[in-house]
Amino acid sequence: KNEVEQSPQNLTAQEGEFITINCSYSVGISALHWLQQHPGGGIVSLFMLSSGKKKHGRLIATINIQEKHSSLHITASHPRDSAVYICAVSFNNDMRFGAGTRLTVKP
Amino acid sequence: DVKVTQSSRYLVKRTGEKVFLECVQDMDHENMFWYRQDPGLGLRLIYFSYDVKMKEKGDIPEGYSVSREKKERFSLILESASTNQTSMYLCASSFSGRSYEQYFGPGTRLTVT
Repeated sequence: KNEVEQSPQNLTAQEGEFITINCSYSVGISALHWLQQHPGGGIVSLFMLSSGKKKHGRLIATINIQEKHSSLHITASHPRDSAVYICAVSFNNDMRFGAGTRLTVKP
Repeated sequence: DVKVTQSSRYLVKRTGEKVFLECVQDMDHENMFWYRQDPGLGLRLIYFSYDVKMKEKGDIPEGYSVSREKKERFSLILESASTNQTSMYLCASSFSGRSYEQYFGPGTRLTVT
């Protein structure tokens, strides 16, 4: 069983829509990461958080430690947001990754 | 800006060949990692290194070895490539302590025929 579960696996949205990607984990963590991977492979870190909420432009990440759950929101989605979004958790000097959510935003 | 580079973006090799994948980082990071990424499985750790000449097995080390002779360089070696090693290989680096943010290279898509 994977320690990190993401949903949905695939998501298609129209430009302008509000998007939510969910991540649940089963272990005690020191931090949760949201990563973005564009076609072609490169991965960039969007957020690292251990409590509460962080915002960067149109992206918002929240975490509920008690519920072991995090969400990534994208407001006013744009085709350039199309990518794979990966949730990862750090715990016990280890890091585990979710399988990713493939987001396609259509114009 | 942190830069992590990988020696090739695309590689095609034959079964049985020895394959070298190289990763270089320019941020003086102590930790370096090799992952493979397969559809539906996410990133899986092959090996990581926390210092020069030090290495630890990850979740799927079988069929792979690594070398870290210099702090900035971490090599992944497939001793005898097999078709089930066809995958995307990603290198990453971070400061020491594995909860720290990892910086990823662009990936190498390896096809073994």
